[in-house]
Parts: sequence; structure tokens; C-alpha cells
Amino acid sequence: DAMVIQNPRYQVTQFGKPVTLSCSQTLNHNVMYWYQQKSSQAPKLLFHYYDKDFNNEADTPDNFQSRRPNTSFCFLDIRSPGLGDAAMYLCATSRLFGPTSYEQYFGPGTRLTVT
Amino acid sequence: AQSVTQLDSQVPVFEEAPVELRCNYSSSVSVYLFWYVQYPNQGLQLLLKYLSGSTLVKGINGFEAEFNKSQTSFHLRKPSVHISDTAEYFCAVSYLYGGATNKLIFGTGTLLAVQP
Repeated sequence: DAMVIQNPRYQVTQFGKPVTLSCSQTLNHNVMYWYQQKSSQAPKLLFHYYDKDFNNEADTPDNFQSRRPNTSFCFLDIRSPGLGDAAMYLCATSRLFGPTSYEQYFGPGTRLTVT
Repeated sequence: AQSVTQLDSQVPVFEEAPVELRCNYSSSVSVYLFWYVQYPNQGLQLLLKYLSGSTLVKGINGFEAEFNKSQTSFHLRKPSVHISDTAEYFCAVSYLYGGATNKLIFGTGTLLAVQP
């Protein structure tokens, strides 16, 4: 089945130690998104890629970076995690055009713990 | 600007009872509306969507929602809930960003707590 995969599902990192979260997709979608979801809150969009065109949300901290080396993969890098960055990180994809372009397909998420 | 309001942060209900989760949106342009469900430590799963056409939309797991343009609402309903429906439910609106990609604006979520 075509899907969105996130690895790892659970990640523990130390305060200030860089960490990378991974997302891959077999849907061949043009657009990939990264969301941060803190406990009991709605997902908050960090940034998204339209193909290789990177779009940062205005309030996304500089501590968060992203890379998209090809259509299938997208990475979220947190350069110096703080305790406040502990959250669920969700990756999503969508088509760019067509009747289903408004739908986003989500991965299972990576739960990040910062110690 | 687009926004989504889910007034109920938690809805307790007994098993086999009907339930309605409320969602209101504000937008100055045409929107597309979604309901997603999130089980503990899982990603978001699409329950149903309204893009156009019939205002009554049927989704997975026996859920349905009705789009009401005059009331700017998109309430989610199920006639008889199960214990397994216990989860967080998010209403979302999609709008066009920059003429190309679409963004989702989420409500704050409603925890549906089904009790035996």
C-alpha cells in the first residue's frame, strides 16, 4: 500500500544534542509538510516543500531546519533541542493538482522526548 | 483569515449512544473541510471531507458530517458510538496558499471519551 512512513516512531535526545527525524513516502506526491503537535494541542505547521521549493512558516524557530533530497524523502533537523521541543512530529504529503490536492496524508508521527 | 473553532474540548458519551462533535469555521473564501481522527500516539487519519456537492458527507467508521454554509458549520455525527471510537477528533479547513499548495488550519480538537 502507498503510504507515509516516519522513522523512528520514538526518539529520545539530550538537551542541545542535534537530532534528525525522517519521513518517506511512496505516494509520489509533490508536496511534503512537517507539523509539530504538543500534548493536547492541534498540529502546527512548521514548513512545507512544493517539490524542492521550501516554504517556512513565519513563526517557525530557526532551530528547525528541513531537507528534501528527492521526491520520496524529507528530513526534519532540530539543531539544538530544548525541553520545549518535546512533541509529536507529523509528516504529511499531498498532490499539487487535481481533485484530491486538498487532502493531506499523514504518517504515524515521531514522538520526540528531550532529556 | 481562516480559522476553525471546536468549542468542546471533551465529549463524554456512553457506548451505543449518538454523538455530535461541533465545528465552526470562518473564511472569506470557499473552503474545503475535513475531519481527522487521532488515536493515542498515532498520526492523523482522514475520516471524511467536504469539497463540493452534497452537503451530507459520509465517512469511514460510520461517521457523517453536514456542511452548513449559512451557519459556517461542519458538525460530525455518529448514531451509535463504540468504545473503539475513543480518540481525538480534529476539524480542519484547507485553503489555497500562494496559488499553488494548500494549507490546513486545524481546530483545537475534541476528545471523544466513550464509556461502557
